[in-house]
Amino acid sequence: DGGITQSPKYLFRKEGQNVTLSCEQNLNHDAMYWYRQDPGQGLRLIYYSQIVNDFQKGDIAEGYSVSREKKESFPLTVTSAQKNPTAFYLCASSIAGGQGNTEAFFGQGTRLTVV
Amino acid sequence: DAKTTQPPSMDCAEGRAANLPCNHSTISGNEYVYWYRQIHSQGPQYIIHGLKNNETNEMASLIITEDRKSSTLILPHATLRDTAVYYCIAARGTASKLTFGTGTRLQVTL
Repeated sequence: DGGITQSPKYLFRKEGQNVTLSCEQNLNHDAMYWYRQDPGQGLRLIYYSQIVNDFQKGDIAEGYSVSREKKESFPLTVTSAQKNPTAFYLCASSIAGGQGNTEAFFGQGTRLTVV
Repeated sequence: DAKTTQPPSMDCAEGRAANLPCNHSTISGNEYVYWYRQIHSQGPQYIIHGLKNNETNEMASLIITEDRKSSTLILPHATLRDTAVYYCIAARGTASKLTFGTGTRLQVTL
């Protein structure tokens, strides 16, 4: 089955530690995205990538880093510089280019708790 | 991408049509209107999108006004499983970052 997989579903880390969230897709999508969601809030874009080896900052990139070495994978690292890292993190992918077809597919999310 | 405005919450009785409005008065000619929904603690799910014409699929219908400044998502026969937050997004057809607002929280009741 094609889809987008985030792991783990729940993650606990101590304050001051870096942590990497995994996102893998087998949909052959060029574009991938990372969002953050806080309780009762909408989604805010952290980083996005439209092609391998290239990515752009979203609205709240400070304290985060990404890499896009493979088309299928777009890991997100939450660094110790992120002031308030506890949140629900969502990864998505979509076809890049074309017209009228940026339907995005989302993973089930990773809930990160920093204690 | 154009900003969209949605009511924060709506109620709908089960079996009735749910009509969710969205205002996108600054939408540009090459921006599509997309609708997603998010059931509690899950990833958002794509519902439907359109440019100018009304669209229908197995989940919903999308009605876009002639001036394209607003649209309505219609769930024809709402069920309890349709309880979710619904997001309206205006975005270009080519891959662009998706900007999600706070959406409309739809509560379907018995």
